[in-house]
Amino acid sequence: DQQVKQNSPSLSVQEGRISILNCDYTNSMFDYFLWYKKYPAEGPTFLISISSIKDKNEDGRFTVFLNKSAKHLSLHIVPSQPGDSAVYFCAASKGGSEKLVFGKGTKLTVNP
Amino acid sequence: GAVVSQHPSWVICKSGTSVKIECRSLDFQATTMFWYRQFPKQSLMLMATSNEGSKATYEQGVEKDKFLINHASLTLSTLTVTSAHPEDSSFYICSASLVYSYEQYFGPGTRLTVT
Repeated sequence: DQQVKQNSPSLSVQEGRISILNCDYTNSMFDYFLWYKKYPAEGPTFLISISSIKDKNEDGRFTVFLNKSAKHLSLHIVPSQPGDSAVYFCAASKGGSEKLVFGKGTKLTVNP
Repeated sequence: GAVVSQHPSWVICKSGTSVKIECRSLDFQATTMFWYRQFPKQSLMLMATSNEGSKATYEQGVEKDKFLINHASLTLSTLTVTSAHPEDSSFYICSASLVYSYEQYFGPGTRLTVT
């Protein structure tokens, strides 16, 4: 049973436009959500996170939105840059130092 | 800050031999470390969670006798793949978290090829 779902395996956008990556979860016990960026043959890099008590968190070009009632979160990248091209993983946690449950990832391609 | 290293970055071994992969938190103390495995074009699969000084907790389906995990100090965890077989070839990634922290910081990964 997949508790964290990223239904779009890939996304392609033009440089300068907005990239929106989506993530859905099923377990209402999750109280913290994270986005990671991963290049091939490298470990994931932490991007941004959000606590379940918030509905938005912003860091530079990256904004994460959380809709608890819909059990949905999204990552917005504005403006998108070619260097953003990577696989983005959504992850959820039920507590500090607890394991993360990852989605399958969305491959973002930003075209120049 | 929050840098995690892995060694080696890649290793090739013969079938039947054992391979040890090290994971170190370089600038912080990690009470909890995690070991993941990633198959090509697939998500990260959590193998086990290790807490310093105690036995690792393995995920369902992961053979604890095959994948030995030791977390002897707050900055070092090791994964030993025993009697490796070609199907163990994969990309192994570790992560570490601070006490009561939600964020995990990942190492660069280790590519294991078993011939």
